[in-house]
Amino acid sequence: AQSVTQLGSHVSVSEGALVLLRCNYSSSVPPYLFWYVQYPNQGLQLLLKYTSAATLVKGINGFEAEFKKSETSFHLTKPSAHMSDAAEYFCAVSDQASGNTPLVFGKGTRLSVIA
Amino acid sequence: DAGVIQSPRHEVTEMGQEVTLRCKPISGHDYLFWYRQTMMRGLELLIYFNNNVPIDDSGMPEDRFSAKMPNASFSTLKIQPSEPRDSAVYFCASSLADSSPLHFGNGTRLTVT
Repeated sequence: AQSVTQLGSHVSVSEGALVLLRCNYSSSVPPYLFWYVQYPNQGLQLLLKYTSAATLVKGINGFEAEFKKSETSFHLTKPSAHMSDAAEYFCAVSDQASGNTPLVFGKGTRLSVIA
Repeated sequence: DAGVIQSPRHEVTEMGQEVTLRCKPISGHDYLFWYRQTMMRGLELLIYFNNNVPIDDSGMPEDRFSAKMPNASFSTLKIQPSEPRDSAVYFCASSLADSSPLHFGNGTRLTVT
């Protein structure tokens, strides 16, 4: 069964600093990987997705993630944090080979941005 | 496109009462998912439907929970009787086929006292 592990339940960065949110996955077959963002009192919104095309995936709001098979990682980065990036971020995995299997989510990482 | 619509946004009820949560998926989406979010357990998949048919309900915690999808534009999640440990935010999400990204509603925050 697939799973994802998000290292760090809370990350705090200064405004303008690099954002790095870590995600490692476990899957016996090539996975689809996703990052979602959740703002307070809202549902999750898709930031970006990896579906076996380019290993570097660019998403919305300046975020990007790189799929590294050798490290089973899919870390999320943004060069310069903005106050509006403060939210909870979820990594998710789906089993590509099985078609539309439901996403399995990590526990989430809360990002705080300090002025 | 109005997105996935959930109602109510907030529900406060007493232990033992029946609770019904509602969801309208995005038109044309074939898949509908119910998730539960708590601080302790994160996001848990409860059940999902494909073309109105339940595919996997192994995440439904107990027989007190039931879900239906009578047509392509409506689904309900019912808890009867409710218990304080059911307090959580319940999300509905829909998607097209083949591991397409999920579109989430804004959730229903359930508090059972």
